[in-house]
Amino acid sequence: SAVISQKPSRDICQRGTSLTIQCQVDSQVTMMFWYRQQPGQSLTLIATANQGSEATYESGFVIDKFPISRPNLTFSTLTVSNMSPEDSSIYLCSVEDSTGPTNYGYTFGSGTRLTVV
Amino acid sequence: GESVGLHLPTLSVQEGDNSIINCAYSNSASDYFIWYKQESGKGPQFIIDIRSNMDKRQGQRVTVLLNKTVKHLSLQIAATQPGDSAVYFCAEKRTGGFKTIFGAGTRLFVKA
Repeated sequence: SAVISQKPSRDICQRGTSLTIQCQVDSQVTMMFWYRQQPGQSLTLIATANQGSEATYESGFVIDKFPISRPNLTFSTLTVSNMSPEDSSIYLCSVEDSTGPTNYGYTFGSGTRLTVV
Repeated sequence: GESVGLHLPTLSVQEGDNSIINCAYSNSASDYFIWYKQESGKGPQFIIDIRSNMDKRQGQRVTVLLNKTVKHLSLQIAATQPGDSAVYFCAEKRTGGFKTIFGAGTRLFVKA
């Protein structure tokens, strides 16, 4: 299965600042996905990042707030901009892992736990 | 470390008993249904999946049942162990590049 390295693993940030989360995969993948997991809740897809094109954002998420880069087939970043306490969540990157035990399951990074104060 | 899923539905079982975790899904067009396990401080981990044209699939100590009539999915864990304590999410997906939608999740506690 693909191995994903995500960093930072956690951070405490001041409101109004921005944080960039990095996601590195050990193999080339077409699509990378960014999810948010608010405290006590399930995962919500933020956007899908394809190499060489702009990310596709889900309803309720916009590029100005969550800009995404995808410079190559193994790396992506998600920035949480102008943060407020409501942005406190776990942010996870994932890939569709055709080399893993299933063709359609995702492999996830360990997540970034963000606290905005 | 901190745990996710503090406000999720919970299931408490005795070690050695069987666990059944249920999930209702919404999209009748979904092609695949997947169960994930999330331990504290970690990302979700794939457990087992099932295609929409099947009603049962077995893995190692786990069985997934799919009832398309009532849009219901269940995960059965045999001989539950303390290491099974985690939050379990069902997810549904359509082929062709469609996104994966996650269900609400259930927190499983295993009592020794």
